[in-house]
Amino acid sequence: DAGITQSPRHKVTETGTPVTLRCHQTENHRYMYWYRQDPGHGLRLIHYSYGVKDTDKGEVSDGYSVSRSKTEDFLLTLESATSSQTSVYFCAIRAGSGNTIYFGEGSWLTVV
Amino acid sequence: AQSVAQPEDQVNVAEGNPLTVKCTYSVSGNPYLFWYVQYPNRGLQFLLKYITGDNLVKGSYGFEAEFNKSQTSFHLKKPSALVSDSALYFCAVRLESYQTGANNLFFGTGTRLTVIP
Repeated sequence: DAGITQSPRHKVTETGTPVTLRCHQTENHRYMYWYRQDPGHGLRLIHYSYGVKDTDKGEVSDGYSVSRSKTEDFLLTLESATSSQTSVYFCAIRAGSGNTIYFGEGSWLTVV
Repeated sequence: AQSVAQPEDQVNVAEGNPLTVKCTYSVSGNPYLFWYVQYPNRGLQFLLKYITGDNLVKGSYGFEAEFNKSQTSFHLKKPSALVSDSALYFCAVRLESYQTGANNLFFGTGTRLTVIP
């Protein structure tokens, strides 16, 4: 258990609406990540954070924004959801020896 | 560019037989390699990693992986497969961001392992 809580775990939303996914951690980790998982693509990095208010883009950042106003929370926002953003979203933290990345349980998002 | 490939989408093995899930990589510099497992409707669980040192790395649930620099491979192995090992397995390589220190992971596309009773 990496001490990561994602919410909501499941959501159905309509095209064009904004959506925010929350990642909450309890162990004061500095580095946090958002990935999406799609068949045939594995996991791809959307955005990551290396500290409060410090974020950077990943491989598939278009259409997404993030915010980190405090250490424990990392928010992923879809400003205007599209069907191509239907996916499973995973939050992750970096911890332990060798800086291993650990994942949350995922948020299933369907855009209709 | 750094990348990782899992050449098999699906691997089937009989219970009790040895299993191998293949991974090859392409990186500049020293590779940092990882294996994760994903059970249905769950997040990814860390299995093992290679950073440096012994080429045979032991991990969770009886899994091990062999780092082969000359073949640029990092295959996941287990001597005797269990039905409960059936899952989706991902190989990943660490990408270093020297500016931020974030050390992100780049994943392969995954291999579905089915252990047949």
